[in-house]
Amino acid sequence: EPEVTQTPSHQVTQMGQEVILRCVPISNHLYFYWYRQILGQKVEFLVSFYNNEISEKSEIFDDQFSVERPDGSNFTLKIRSTKLEDSAMYFCASSRDRSTDTQYFGPGTRLTVL
Amino acid sequence: EDQVTQSPEALRLQEGESSSLNCSYTVSGLRGLFWYRQDPGKGPEFLFTLYSAGEEKEKERLKATLTKKESFLHITAPKPEDSATYLCAVPDPSGSRLTFGEGTQLTVNP
Repeated sequence: EPEVTQTPSHQVTQMGQEVILRCVPISNHLYFYWYRQILGQKVEFLVSFYNNEISEKSEIFDDQFSVERPDGSNFTLKIRSTKLEDSAMYFCASSRDRSTDTQYFGPGTRLTVL
Repeated sequence: EDQVTQSPEALRLQEGESSSLNCSYTVSGLRGLFWYRQDPGKGPEFLFTLYSAGEEKEKERLKATLTKKESFLHITAPKPEDSATYLCAVPDPSGSRLTFGEGTQLTVNP
């Protein structure tokens, strides 16, 4: 069964450093998403991406964040200058359609900012 | 703004003891309600999608139902492997963004 994959599973970085989190969505899916979950809190939407551009972004997704689909399979989230409060699990998701289709989530990347 | 509230926050059951989890939602126009299971340190795993009031879906020991204001996840004769956090979520009108509830942490003791 196709699944969303994410790398790395755990990333440790120093405050102020740039990180890139990588995702491979399900191959025939057209819509891609990033969510985050701070420890003990609920899953929060960051951004959605379709046709090589951002469809929607939350107030969390400020200028420090960017997304890219560098090739036909990868989808990345970049945090330019990490802060302590960026420490969280980051989940990539994908769906075939946007309006009512199911979003399938990857296993997550645990980002720890020291 | 869409709101999703789940109750209880935590639930402990004995193996075989059936129960229900609740998800109440406030949305401008329901475009589906999703149930996910999340194990510690893992991503949400899709369980069900419900689109209209009165709809029911079943999978093994789980059954999800939907009314105009809430959804229930019924767990029949649970086993320890059903222990997880159960999340519900609703999409915004554009379908781009899922709003999640806080989840119900279920523990099933043998």
